[in-house]
Amino acid sequence: AQSVAQPEDQVNVAEGNPLTVKCTYSVSGNPYLFWYVQYPNRGLQFLLKYITGDNLVKGSYGFEAEFNKSQTSFHLKKPSALVSDSALYFCAVRDWSNAGNNRKLIWGLGTSLAVNP
Amino acid sequence: EPEVTQTPSHQVTQMGQEVILRCVPISNHLYFYWYRQILGQKVEFLVSFYNNEISEKSEIFDDQFSVERPDGSNFTLKIRSTKLEDSAMYFCASSLGNSFYEQYFGPGTRLTVT
Repeated sequence: AQSVAQPEDQVNVAEGNPLTVKCTYSVSGNPYLFWYVQYPNRGLQFLLKYITGDNLVKGSYGFEAEFNKSQTSFHLKKPSALVSDSALYFCAVRDWSNAGNNRKLIWGLGTSLAVNP
Repeated sequence: EPEVTQTPSHQVTQMGQEVILRCVPISNHLYFYWYRQILGQKVEFLVSFYNNEISEKSEIFDDQFSVERPDGSNFTLKIRSTKLEDSAMYFCASSLGNSFYEQYFGPGTRLTVT
């Protein structure tokens, strides 16, 4: 079965420190991976994606993610956290189980990031 | 920057009533989706739509649910007879293409069934 796991419900970091939000995946096809952020009472905003190419992907707001095929991971990172980064972060993978060509996203449970001043 | 819009932002309805949630996807996008998120839980796929037909639907998307793209710009989700457990945030999303294209989400409609 295809799945995404975000092992941490919550991550706490101090402002200015590096942050990592973890994600591991299991898919039957090519791992097309995505990170989204959800601020309180807001929709999901796309941050970055890995499709192919460089394992280090850069995205919005200074975030980046590292694709690791051997560990089936796609951890989200930022070198220096801001208080405004505090939000809910979701990892998602494209579903290959459907034979059609409109492929839904399979989501992790989300990780709440709290950046303390 | 173009964005997905959804109306209403909040809908309160009584159990058994019909509701229609509306979405305007990004204009040049071809693939459309509805997801929902029950408070405190994960995002769940409901249905995907392409070329004026449903591509895939989840187990949640039973006969009480339907989708429509009535006029080439709106994309609606109808729940014919709402249940208490339908209370959730409903997100519409659209994408330019499939597979490796990211999906862009609207701000959501919070549906409360009483």
